[in-house]
Amino acid sequence: DAKTTQPTSMDCAEGRAANLPCNHSTISGNEYVYWYRQIHSQGPQYIIHGLKNNETNEMASLIITEDRKSSTLILPHATLRDTAVYYCIALSGYSTLTFGKGTMLLVSP
Amino acid sequence: DGGITQSPKYLFRKEGQNVTLSCEQNLNHDAMYWYRQDPGQGLRLIYYSQIVNDFQKGDIAEGYSVSREKKESFPLTVTSAQKNPTAFYLCASSMNRGVFNYGYTFGSGTRLTVV
Repeated sequence: DAKTTQPTSMDCAEGRAANLPCNHSTISGNEYVYWYRQIHSQGPQYIIHGLKNNETNEMASLIITEDRKSSTLILPHATLRDTAVYYCIALSGYSTLTFGKGTMLLVSP
Repeated sequence: DGGITQSPKYLFRKEGQNVTLSCEQNLNHDAMYWYRQDPGQGLRLIYYSQIVNDFQKGDIAEGYSVSREKKESFPLTVTSAQKNPTAFYLCASSMNRGVFNYGYTFGSGTRLTVV
């Protein structure tokens, strides 16, 4: 599975959009981009995934560049409860999820 | 409500003792997984099972054992051979269909402390 690179940490003001970037320059054509988040001392929570089209659900939007080498997770109106570690993962087929260190997003009042 | 239940939430054991962590799911998921997380680190895969009575080693299987006798249950035993067992253990499950990996559902974790 392709390696992903994320910033170690980011800050966001409550009510503003949080834009979390992820680089996956070696992603292959059959690999999806997945996003999970982990609130402190809890299990990770699935957020969204996509292949090449932009995706949106009730939690977030996923924007994937045309060359698929990077993506951005957008939380449109961040709240304090969105403070968590966010993981960007590229994987395909029957591969198992592997987690890097992710991005620690701190949402402040 | 469907979900994954891990028990207990906190577990203390003396060094040299084996300990079994429970994981039960009622989501009718085919696959189940065990991960370990150390402070400030990502999750590392210990074992996974795609089907009943079958399981595969993950990246850090040494010192651990599992069984998958029922679709709903995937217990993890931390043996005395595991050098650094103190960690946060997470169980997950997923529905495998075709070539797509559907999202994983995680339990709330068991924090094991060995003294």
